[in-house]
Amino acid sequence: NAGVTQTPKFQVLKTGQSMTLQCAQDMNHEYMSWYRQDPGMGLRLIHYSVGAGITDQGEVPNGYNVSRSTTEDFPLRLLSAAPSQTSVYFCASSYWTGRSTEAFFGQGTRLTVV
Amino acid sequence: SQQGEEDPQALSIQEGENATMNCSYKTSINNLQWYRQNSGRGLVHLILIRSNEREKHSGRLRVTLDTSKKSSSLLITASRAADTASYFCATGSLETSGSRLTFGEGTQLTVNP
Repeated sequence: NAGVTQTPKFQVLKTGQSMTLQCAQDMNHEYMSWYRQDPGMGLRLIHYSVGAGITDQGEVPNGYNVSRSTTEDFPLRLLSAAPSQTSVYFCASSYWTGRSTEAFFGQGTRLTVV
Repeated sequence: SQQGEEDPQALSIQEGENATMNCSYKTSINNLQWYRQNSGRGLVHLILIRSNEREKHSGRLRVTLDTSKKSSSLLITASRAADTASYFCATGSLETSGSRLTFGEGTQLTVNP
């Protein structure tokens, strides 16, 4: 049971490039989310999804797109990378209503935009 | 300011001592959770307390929740050097049945051998 798998672990982008951070979970969780963590700060919610085909914005959605075509996968796309998007990105999943809402996190993707 | 603010920001204690971290929040919650993050790693769930619970124990961890004061505390008893990490509280919003989490900025705990 792999849990939540994020790829890549590290990435360096040039300003203006685009890329997709991958996230997959094998726990059949309905709820998946993306966070960014900046130095000395907690996690801020970028986008989340409560099930396949449903996504919504979090606190800091600008510059990011998501899609949820399957229950397992929740990729995060950076459309045109900016230095302000340098951060560590975490994907998480959990059950939705009526069940435990403990969240399981991936190991993170450290992104640097130069 | 962020929902789920931890206090203190940093705490340094000796091995064997107890560590207490506090968390305050602003809105109505479904649950409150505590997570640990070791340096450069992902977050690991420690304990979840629901809004209708007042206290919960898990091993050396004790969590309290006071919804009237909108605050929670995490007590780690008989601390060990391996407890050195950042600790975050996260509140699960009422309108999303607790799944959407809002994190505080964390408390950096250092346990000296």
